[in-house]
Amino acid sequence: DVVLTQTPVAQPVTLGDQASISCRSSQSLVHSNGNTYLEWYLQKPGQSPQLLIYKVSNRFSGVPDRFIGSGSGSDFTLKISRVEPEDLGVYYCFQATHDPPTFGGGTKLELK
Amino acid sequence: EVQLVESGGGLVQPGRSLKLSCAASGFTFSSFPMAWVRQAPKKGLEWVASISSGGGGTYYPDSVKGRFTISRDNAKSTLYLQMDSLRSEDTASYYCARRRTYAGFDYWGQGVMVTVSS
Repeated sequence: DVVLTQTPVAQPVTLGDQASISCRSSQSLVHSNGNTYLEWYLQKPGQSPQLLIYKVSNRFSGVPDRFIGSGSGSDFTLKISRVEPEDLGVYYCFQATHDPPTFGGGTKLELK
Repeated sequence: EVQLVESGGGLVQPGRSLKLSCAASGFTFSSFPMAWVRQAPKKGLEWVASISSGGGGTYYPDSVKGRFTISRDNAKSTLYLQMDSLRSEDTASYYCARRRTYAGFDYWGQGVMVTVSS
């Protein structure tokens, strides 16, 4: 199975700062059709996960443009510019290129 | 408004069975693949099962293959998860989620808790 390793495990931030989360895959996430199926989710405290980014860099409807997904192959990053209070929670990357689909272990974005 | 509402959770003994339901509304249920994702207490997310829009394709990780069965009734806009031979490690909150083909789980239910314990 593909292993997604997220770093850091916890990211202390000050509101207004930029935050960066890494997601590294144990193998390339480029599908045979040329697409890369890497997604990002945020789970706020006490809530269900919510979709932020799909296919590496595409923001889901209503997601603010301060969320930027990037990367290729097996190395991916989610950047959050100007962190706001509603951005706090646990971020997960997810790959749907290889079977079975797998989630990363999560990165908790928390206040310093 | 898209809504996914899970039900059927609870406390069950190891080795017994439980069936979860997810009632969908606000969209054409039969047009979307669906999935179940679980989260053990204080742990991360784990994909549990997926089903194609028509129900003809079902997919599972090895951890539940042969024990869990995902199904759907498109006439009732309802997704199911039949869980047999339950183990303590199946204790988790179970979420149903709508899948946009290769474009993310875009809507999630509120989750239902399953506790496997004697």
